[in-house]
Amino acid sequence: DAGVTQTPRHEVAEKGQTIILKCEPVSGHNDLFWYRQTKIQGLELLSYFRSKSLMEDGGAFKDRFKAEMLNSSFSTLKIQPTEPKDSAVYLCASSFNWGPSYEQYFGPGTRLTVL
Amino acid sequence: GQQVQQSPASLVLQEGENAELQCNFSTSLNSMQWFYQRPGGSLVSLFYNPSGTKHSGRLTSTTVIKERRSSLHISSSQTTDSGTYLCALEANSGTYQRFGTGTKLQVVP
Repeated sequence: DAGVTQTPRHEVAEKGQTIILKCEPVSGHNDLFWYRQTKIQGLELLSYFRSKSLMEDGGAFKDRFKAEMLNSSFSTLKIQPTEPKDSAVYLCASSFNWGPSYEQYFGPGTRLTVL
Repeated sequence: GQQVQQSPASLVLQEGENAELQCNFSTSLNSMQWFYQRPGGSLVSLFYNPSGTKHSGRLTSTTVIKERRSSLHISSSQTTDSGTYLCALEANSGTYQRFGTGTKLQVVP
């Protein structure tokens, strides 16, 4: 079985650009998460979908960050416009929440550098 | 406030020594998961352990719900164990997992 797939693995953007990150969850999983990870803040939740419905939009990240789940096997995270402080690793994770286990599986991440 | 607290924040071990990493939480627990992250790498699940003790090779995870804590024990540490260890809990309210700030472990030869 394929794990969580993320593309691209690396992205370099100029300040003010729009970038779109992509994620494919584990087949059959119905929860999908987008996180941002920095050395200072650690892991921060950006968005959380359950069965394609947005459950959590990350509060402080709402204005320039938008995650969408077009179908159960694909999600995007758009950052518009990008700022240098957005430089971080963006992680996507999925899980299956209908059983007793709530184990999360993470993708390899996208390292974003904003100049 | 911070629902999940990890300690210590960092740790340096001599190869062969044992380590005990702690995760304390302030809310009722539904599940607990431990992850390992190599520098520059993604998160790899070590244990999904809602309660009790689980073993995997040199690693042991123990979650005591009544005491609101979970621990990760690493025995006979190796240099390849170096990295960051994160715990994440799912609260009884049934929402998503919340992560601790991690323990950065360095094992030196």
